[in-house]
Formats: sequence, structure tokens, C-alpha cells
Amino acid sequence: SYELTQPPSVSVSPGQTARITCSTDALPKQYAYWYQQKPGQAPVLVIKKDIERPSGIPERFSGSSSGTTVTLTISGVQAEDEADYYCQSADSSGIYKVFGGGTKLTVL
Amino acid sequence: QVQLVESGGGVVQPGRSLRLSCAASGFTFRNHGMHWVRQAPGKGLEWVTVIWYDGSNKYYADSVKGRSTISRDNSRNTLYLQMNDLRAEDTAVYYCARDREALYMDVWGQGTTVTVSS
Repeated sequence: SYELTQPPSVSVSPGQTARITCSTDALPKQYAYWYQQKPGQAPVLVIKKDIERPSGIPERFSGSSSGTTVTLTISGVQAEDEADYYCQSADSSGIYKVFGGGTKLTVL
Repeated sequence: QVQLVESGGGVVQPGRSLRLSCAASGFTFRNHGMHWVRQAPGKGLEWVTVIWYDGSNKYYADSVKGRSTISRDNSRNTLYLQMNDLRAEDTAVYYCARDREALYMDVWGQGTTVTVSS
């Protein structure tokens, strides 16, 4: 089955840069998407198609891709960025969506 | 504004059925595919099912295949998820989400909670 692997947790101090990775062994690689979820709230899309930032998302959020790993980078982390982050992609058919296990970002 | 509002969750005994609804507003519902995604307590997101904009195609995760049916009523701007033979592992918050380009979900509802317990 198709799987996406994320680190369970990442911790950074305010103002530093947080990087959250999402990797897969499957090829060809589909686009990846990143969602931010704060406690008790619905997920919010923060990056689409590996690197695109939807309107309304702060510029400190960016995405990159290299091989079978995509990375969500948050530059100048703020306390409000503390949340769970999930990557999402799809299997080779593109139809069946898959989420990574999620990464809890802690702002120290 | 674009909005999705889920309803129909509750506490149900194992083996029973439940139908969830998702009311859409603020956009042209009939132009978009729709997903259901669930999240068990303290766990991550799990994609459940998708339906094409016109209802012509439906796909399910293995975990619910054969027990769940997604449907939509474009005249009522409403999405449904019929869940049968419910199990304890179906306990979760169920979110409906709007599909974009058959690739991702760009708008999410606030979720409705399903608890399967005797």
C-alpha cells in the first residue's frame, strides 16, 4: 500500500525555521499537499502541488520537493504556527488519497 | 462565503447504521467532487471516500469499502455518507471536504463526531 512518512514531532524556537519532511518510496511521485490542523479545528490547506502557496497563507510557509521527499518549511516560526501538519498525496492512479501520519510542531 | 456544514453524527451501537450529511453553500456545488475524511480520537487524518461532481464515480478506502456509500444531491447542495455495520474503529470525527482538480481538498467542514459503542 502507498504510504507517506513524516516525523512525529518537530520543535523550534520562535523566529527559527521549521522543516517538516514527508517521504515515500513510491514512484512516480504524485504532487504533495500540506494541511495545518490546530486543536479542535478542521485542517487548512497551506501548500498545494509541492510548492504553491494558496491565497491567504502567510509567505513564511513554503514547500519544496526533491526526489521522493517533500518538505514544508516555515520561516520565522510564530507561536500561532504550533499545530499538527499533514502531508497528502495519492497512489499511482491519482484517485486514492493518502495522508502522512502527521507531525506535531511545537514552538518552544 | 464558502461553507461546509456536517451533521448526523452521534453515538451508535456496533453493527448499526448512520447517515452523515454535509450541506454546502457559497460555491457551485455541482461543479466539484467531494470527499469524506475522518480522524479517530488522538490520531491522524484518514481519507475515506470521494464522489465525482456528477456522482458518476465513487471510490472508497479499503477500511470502509462494502460498508459505506457516498452520494450527493446536487439539487439540495448536499453530500451524504451512509455507513452500515459500524465498528468501534469507525469512531472518529468525519469531515467533508471540497475537491480541487481531483488532486486535493481546499475547503473543509468543521466535522461531525461518530462514536460507535455499546
